Amino acid sequence: DMKVTQMPRYLIKRMGENVLLECGQDMSHETMYWYRQDPGLGLQLIYISYDVDSNSEGDIPKGYRVSRKKREHFSLILDSAKTNQTSVYFCASSLWDRGNTLYFGEGSRLIVV
Amino acid sequence: AQSVTQPDARVTVSEGASLQLRCKYSYSGTPYLFWYVQYPRQGLQLLLKYYSGDPVVQGVNGFEAEFIKSNSSFHLRKASVHWSDSAVYFCAVRGPGGNYKPTFGKGTSLVVHP
Repeated sequence: DMKVTQMPRYLIKRMGENVLLECGQDMSHETMYWYRQDPGLGLQLIYISYDVDSNSEGDIPKGYRVSRKKREHFSLILDSAKTNQTSVYFCASSLWDRGNTLYFGEGSRLIVV
Repeated sequence: AQSVTQPDARVTVSEGASLQLRCKYSYSGTPYLFWYVQYPRQGLQLLLKYYSGDPVVQGVNGFEAEFIKSNSSFHLRKASVHWSDSAVYFCAVRGPGGNYKPTFGKGTSLVVHP
């Protein structure tokens, strides 16, 4: 059905708590991504995954880690969340070729207080 | 390193007017170029993309973009905008190399007044 699903859509956490953001896709795409979007900064790539257990740092990986144990599922983990990690997080997927379109989820809004 | 510059953070136009959103990229070689649109509280959706061939590429909803290699530009155009075109528009580039990491511009917020 060509869909990227993110859960949860909204989340409030206290500083120091752990955060798990989950992403699923039904297109059998090899490549998946996590971005964060902040006003005035656009989209910043956190991690990219080329397939199961084949993950690579993006431009801003510090404070984040990822897990990909199944091709259709990609998780973003924040161990001990910080207030500056308050943001909207987007997951995306694509086929591996560089010309292929990224399909985005609807975003997960995280507030760390 | 590849980069994308969208010099206009916000553009305001009247309904029915023509539109151009600017995008300049930095990349040594021929990249894939994309325009995406983000409607409020949604993820990004592809408008159009370009790699080779006719430098003017057509997209959805009457949008088109022109690749000008000499100017490293990939501006987005529409002949007549509608209020429903109000959204944030992102230009993106992907290059070769071992990892194909896409790079996005900071986006241009388009406001169309009825």
